[in-house]
Amino acid sequence: ETGVTQTPRHLVMGMTNKKSLKCEQHLGHNAMYWYKQSAKKPLELMFVYNFKEQTENNSVPSRFSPECPNSSHLFLHLHTLQPEDSALYLCASSQDAGQGSTGELFFGEGSRLTVL
Amino acid sequence: AQSVAQPEDQVNVAEGNPLTVKCTYSVSGNPYLFWYVQYPNRGLQFLLKYITGDNLVKGSYGFEAEFNKSQTSFHLKKPSALVSDSALYFCAARGGSTLGRLYFGRGTQLTVWP
Repeated sequence: ETGVTQTPRHLVMGMTNKKSLKCEQHLGHNAMYWYKQSAKKPLELMFVYNFKEQTENNSVPSRFSPECPNSSHLFLHLHTLQPEDSALYLCASSQDAGQGSTGELFFGEGSRLTVL
Repeated sequence: AQSVAQPEDQVNVAEGNPLTVKCTYSVSGNPYLFWYVQYPNRGLQFLLKYITGDNLVKGSYGFEAEFNKSQTSFHLKKPSALVSDSALYFCAARGGSTLGRLYFGRGTQLTVWP
């Protein structure tokens, strides 16, 4: 148990569906992240939020829409996805400010997405 | 450009033998260095970190890593490998402070044979 919870763990969707991935952290951190992990490819950083504000968007297609209503919750809204978007989507959090912080990321277990 | 390199996609070792998983980094300023492990269909788990101080850091499950500033390396080691250590290992680094982007290597698949 890392203190970062992702739901659902598995999701199968068609290309015309709309679904959302949810991430919740119980660590009191102020930064949250979405990563994409595809087979045979490096980890891809998608989005970063600090204190609920988006600070990084790494040229992610608009069919992925993040939402961060507060520092503990992060969503990834999915619509009209493509089969190549099938991957493990990892959420992470960190404490990126303040004394004593060393900035390591704590990851959730991931949401395995399959797009048919 | 800032980056982390793990030169070996795969490392195979017999159970009971020592293991090393290599990592080199290129970041601005003093490095903050991390190792993570990932088991199949799971998220990344934090293993250990180097921030400052002793060049040899100890982490979870008997793993340790040695920071070498002159070689810009942070290799992961374990004196005696277990079959249960078989997993995907990621090295990560950020430069200069606790803020800013964490750069990950591509990962090294460790297989420990019984």
